[in-house]
Parts: sequence; C-alpha cells; structure tokens
Amino acid sequence: EVRLVQSGAEVTKPGESLKISCQASGYVFANYWIGWVRQRPEKGLEWMGIIYPGDSDKRFGPSFEGQVTFSVDKSVNTAYLQWDSLKASDTAIYYCARRAYNWNDGQTHWFDAWGQGTLVTV
Amino acid sequence: QTVVTQEPSFSVSPGGTVTLTCALESRSVSGAHYPSWYQHKPGRAPRILIHNTSDRSSGVPDRFSASLVGDKAALTITGAQADDEGHYYCSLYLSEGIFVFGPGTEVTV
Repeated sequence: EVRLVQSGAEVTKPGESLKISCQASGYVFANYWIGWVRQRPEKGLEWMGIIYPGDSDKRFGPSFEGQVTFSVDKSVNTAYLQWDSLKASDTAIYYCARRAYNWNDGQTHWFDAWGQGTLVTV
Repeated sequence: QTVVTQEPSFSVSPGGTVTLTCALESRSVSGAHYPSWYQHKPGRAPRILIHNTSDRSSGVPDRFSASLVGDKAALTITGAQADDEGHYYCSLYLSEGIFVFGPGTEVTV
C-alpha cells in the first residue's frame, strides 16, 4: 500500500526557519516525483512544486520559487519542505502528494497518493 | 500567470446531476493539459477522481464522469449522494512539469 505520512503540526514565529517532512512507503521512493500543495485558511489548493527523489530535479510554481526549498533523503524515503524565514502569510496546511506514473502507457499527469497534511501556524 | 476558473459553488438535490467546469482565462483547455479532478473534504487529504481528462481513478464510483466540453474541462456527478459534498478542484498540466489548480467549486447536496 502506498502511504505518505507527514510530520505533525507546527507553531512558529515570523522570521523563524522550519522544515516539515513527508515519509513515503509502499513503493520505490526514488522513481516518483513528490509534489507539495498549500491550502491557506478558507482558501483553495495551490500547487507549489515538485521534486524527483532520484536526482533531486525540481520544478516550482510561479509564486513559490525562491520562497521555499524542496529536498529529499533517499536513505529514509523522505521528502522535505523548508522555509528560511517564515511569514504570517505562510500559515496553511501543506500536503505532499505522489505524482502518478502509469507503467503501461507512461501517463503521469496527476497525483495519486496524498499525505494527511501538516498544519503550519506562523 | 496562468489563471484557471471554476464555478464558486453548486447546490444539487440528492439523485440530481451537476456539471462543474474548469476553464483557462486566456486559452482553451485541451487534452494536452491532461485535466484531472480532485475531491477535497474538510480535515481530509484530497482524493483523485479523474485523470487524463476522463479516466476514472481506481475505486471512484461511476457516477463521476469527465470530458472536454467546448473549450473547458468538465466533471459531471450523475445521481449525487450526500457523501459527494465537498470541494472539487481541477488541475491542469502546463508544461515542463508545472501544474496549476483551479480555485475549486464547493458542492452542496
């Protein structure tokens, strides 16, 4: 069973740094992109970007490049989302999600497994 | 900046049919955007319903269907049930690994 388990809720202050995690199990971690999605209070889902654990290749949504850092540790099948200096506007639930890959036809344009979300309050 | 639009909300009677749409502000949605649809309920993780424009994902009831209609992607719920209440988001693939979500539609049954 594919599972993504995220780290627990965080309460921080403006200007502080933070790193949250997303641990994968049930599949070969290195072979699937991991995406990050933000949901601010009472707002919709926003696509932040993705990272490929195999080689740490990354893509960012236009509002997020330079604002957050994506990383992975393949030895523990875990992806990370990091901030160097948080702002009140970073208060949100953050989801990690696995980008699908259909090994029959190569289709890959959706996210088929999601973490439970991490609430970050700044 | 790519702007995606969805209806803010819909109300449907139990057993009724509702069609949600997903549009791009500046051009048509096409199969090359590989539209997908997610259901999101409060306190839960989003759930994939439809991928590649019209393919139902594993375990999704057949009352959910999707297609391209004109210049938009569309999700139809036929025979709505109380359990279908929630927010529905479309996602479009832009290029070079970049995706975008629509603002979501709140469905009340």
